[in-house]
Amino acid sequence: DTGVSQNPRHKITKRGQNVTFRCDPISEHNRLYWYRQTLGQGPEFLTYFQNEAQLEKSRLLSDRFSAERPKGSFSTLEIQRTEQGDSAMYLCASSLGQGGSLWANVLTFGAGSRLTVL
Amino acid sequence: RKEVEQDPGPFNVPEGATVAFNCTYSNSASQSFFWYRQDCRKEPKLLMSVYSSGNEDGRFTAQLNRASQYISLLIRDSKLSDSATYLCVVNPTDKLIFGTGTRLQVFP
Repeated sequence: DTGVSQNPRHKITKRGQNVTFRCDPISEHNRLYWYRQTLGQGPEFLTYFQNEAQLEKSRLLSDRFSAERPKGSFSTLEIQRTEQGDSAMYLCASSLGQGGSLWANVLTFGAGSRLTVL
Repeated sequence: RKEVEQDPGPFNVPEGATVAFNCTYSNSASQSFFWYRQDCRKEPKLLMSVYSSGNEDGRFTAQLNRASQYISLLIRDSKLSDSATYLCVVNPTDKLIFGTGTRLQVFP
């Protein structure tokens, strides 16, 4: 399978617990994005990496959220002290290319990791 | 004002109908535009890019109006399999901004 892989697919946790999601992008893609989606809404940008560098982080992202891409390949998204409002689908996407290239902006999404905070 | 605005629908149309969706964006510096399709409980997938001159892919036609900052998607001869949410996507910077999506339901 050469697509974007996300794990776990589903996570149910209690409020206050920490959770971590993993994303394995398409191997030749140098850009990796994290989005969050709730019911009836479009995907909301969280952060993105070019190789191992985190280039942008949404102002909506509280300091309980942290993302890493240590070797420029897979990425992890950690949420500390989860709250019920964190319940959502967390989508990872990857793309190929540098800024200014049209193909840099064509995203391939993974199937997502659904988080439920009780 | 949201960066990308779409009518959430739903649009309920019979098979064979022609349906059009519009989307407006706020950042005039946006350079790339796309339509993504999202099936229920699935991830978004690229439907088509939107070029300045307009472009067509089979039954689907996308148009861009930079002066008015809106994008449209026209679907001709609707099929049951076209039922999905259509997401308008714009990139003012290196990240893509998604609209809330317009839901289409095609009935027999």
